[in-house]
Amino acid sequence: AQSVAQPEDQVNVAEGNPLTVKCTYSVSGNPYLFWYVQYPNRGLQFLLKYITGDNLVKGSYGFEAEFNKSQTSFHLKKPSALVSDSALYFCAVRGFQKLVFGTGTRLLVSP
Amino acid sequence: GAGVSQSPSNKVTEKGKDVELRCDPISGHTALYWYRQSLGQGLEFLIYFQGNSAPDKSGLPSDRFSAERTGGSVSTLTIQRTQQEDSAVYLCASSLAWQGKQETQYFGPGTRLLVL
Repeated sequence: AQSVAQPEDQVNVAEGNPLTVKCTYSVSGNPYLFWYVQYPNRGLQFLLKYITGDNLVKGSYGFEAEFNKSQTSFHLKKPSALVSDSALYFCAVRGFQKLVFGTGTRLLVSP
Repeated sequence: GAGVSQSPSNKVTEKGKDVELRCDPISGHTALYWYRQSLGQGLEFLIYFQGNSAPDKSGLPSDRFSAERTGGSVSTLTIQRTQQEDSAVYLCASSLAWQGKQETQYFGPGTRLLVL
């Protein structure tokens, strides 16, 4: 069965510093990996996805993610965090007929 | 361009009552998905539609839950005899096609259901 793990419940970073939100995956076959962001009382917004090709995927709002097959990881990154990036971030893997989500990581960016 | 819309945005109901949640997908999206987000269970898949057909209903938590989709567009999730454990945010998503694993699912804002 496909699964993803987000080992950190919360990540704290100061504005202007680089941020990383971690995700590891377990799949049979080729992984199709996604990152979504959720702001308070809002639905999930798509950030980026990895299907095949370059290991560095660029997405919305300056976010990028690095696919690492040997470490089965798909960490979300941003070179310079903004206070407005504070939200709940979900990693997901495409399973059969559905997305399988991680438990989410809350990102807090302090001014 | 309109995204996925859901109504109502909030619903408060009494235990034992029936509720209907509506999802209007992005125009042209043939695949539609329902998920539930709750504190204890995280984000869990409920059901998906390809066109008007729902090939697999095994994600629905009980037989009190049902869903339908008409005209390949709007979908309704119905919960009968609601229980307090049904309280959650119900999210709908749509994508161009379900066969393509690379297709992005786009989510609506959700319906926040509270069962008293």
